[in-house]
Amino acid sequence: GNSVTQMEGPVTLSEEAFLTINCTYTATGYPSLFWYVQYPGEGLQLLLKATKADDKGSNKGFEATYRKETTSFHLEKGSVQVSDSAVYFCALSNFGNEKLTFGTGTRLTIIP
Amino acid sequence: DTAVSQTPKYLVTQMGNDKSIKCEQNLGHDTMYWYKQDSKKFLKIMFSYNNKELIINETVPNRFSPKSPDKAHLNLHINSLELGDSAVYFCASSQAQGADTGELFFGEGSRLTVL
Repeated sequence: GNSVTQMEGPVTLSEEAFLTINCTYTATGYPSLFWYVQYPGEGLQLLLKATKADDKGSNKGFEATYRKETTSFHLEKGSVQVSDSAVYFCALSNFGNEKLTFGTGTRLTIIP
Repeated sequence: DTAVSQTPKYLVTQMGNDKSIKCEQNLGHDTMYWYKQDSKKFLKIMFSYNNKELIINETVPNRFSPKSPDKAHLNLHINSLELGDSAVYFCASSQAQGADTGELFFGEGSRLTVL
């Protein structure tokens, strides 16, 4: 079956630091990969996605590249801001199956 | 104007009670979902409805009964609550069943605590 493993949190960084949150997956076929973000007091919202190998998803300065050879989809940002403090979820879905499989979430805190 | 809204946001109740959580979406989506997030933040799908029809039921105890009176609403009723039901329950919606967009729109969650 499908599964997503992401790095344990919490992660605490200083403002303007470089961010990496690791995500690896196990899936049959060729899944699409996603990062969702949950800001305090809000529901999850889609941050970025990639639908095939070597695709790079990007949004709000965040990016992640679909690496089929390493079954990974690591989230990166070059310079984080306090407003990036949130919980980040890696997820996958197989085509025709809207049943997203989520990782356990990584809480990120950025300190000024 | 909240896209996916669920009520209540917090619910504290005793074991054995019956409770409901309501969800409404104003996005015109055809598909709605209930997800459960446990204390370790693990998020797992429970149910999915497409245009009022159940399409996913993930081996959830039959104490949990979803109801969709119309495609904009998906309510979750839980009978005989148990301690293990304590979790945050998220409602979500998406534009089309089987679409590969992966874009779900989530509500803010309903935190259920069973004492």
